[in-house]
Amino acid sequence: EIVLTQSPDTLSLSPGERATLSCRADQRVSSRYLSWYQHKPGRAPRLLIYDASIRVTGIPDRFSGSATGTDFTLTISRLEPEDFAVYYCQHYDSLRFAFGGGTKVEIK
Amino acid sequence: EVKLVESGGGLVQPGGSLRLSCEGSDFKFSTYDMNWVRQAPGKGLEWVSYITNSAGSTTYAESVKGRFTVSRDNAKNSVYLHMNSLRADDTAVYYCARNVRAWNYCMDVWGQGSTVIVSS
Repeated sequence: EIVLTQSPDTLSLSPGERATLSCRADQRVSSRYLSWYQHKPGRAPRLLIYDASIRVTGIPDRFSGSATGTDFTLTISRLEPEDFAVYYCQHYDSLRFAFGGGTKVEIK
Repeated sequence: EVKLVESGGGLVQPGGSLRLSCEGSDFKFSTYDMNWVRQAPGKGLEWVSYITNSAGSTTYAESVKGRFTVSRDNAKNSVYLHMNSLRADDTAVYYCARNVRAWNYCMDVWGQGSTVIVSS
């Protein structure tokens, strides 16, 4: 079973700053099956990126994803007020799914 | 508007049972695999269960295997989560989510969630 570890747990930043979120798998995984979600309290999670780097239609281009081996990164180039939320990475393998523990991006 | 709406949550005693429902609208439900994902209070998202579009395959997280059963009725555009032997640590908001095989199994549409509280 794949375990995804996200870091940091919390990122305290100001609007306009750059956010870099990390997701690390405990074994080699295919980047094709790595997705990122945004989740706000009381709301449904929102798919941002799949295949590690493909942005869903309608997601602003300040969101980007990348992959290097077992390390995956979600970058928000310039934080907007609506971007403060919890972000999760998720991986699929053989009809099973795993989420990382999440990174909370909070207003500094 | 493509939508998923969960129902059936509530307060149940430890050891009890509950069935959650999730109805999809404005898309061809029978062509999509579906997931259940939960979030316990103060915790992150946890995948619970998956069912293929034809219900030919189902999978479960180890934490619920043997206690939860996922099923679907494509004629009713609905997927269900039958939960038995409920424990306090099953307390969570339960989301259903549409799975997109073509996008390498990500979850592109989610419901608003249904709250399950297991307590005496």
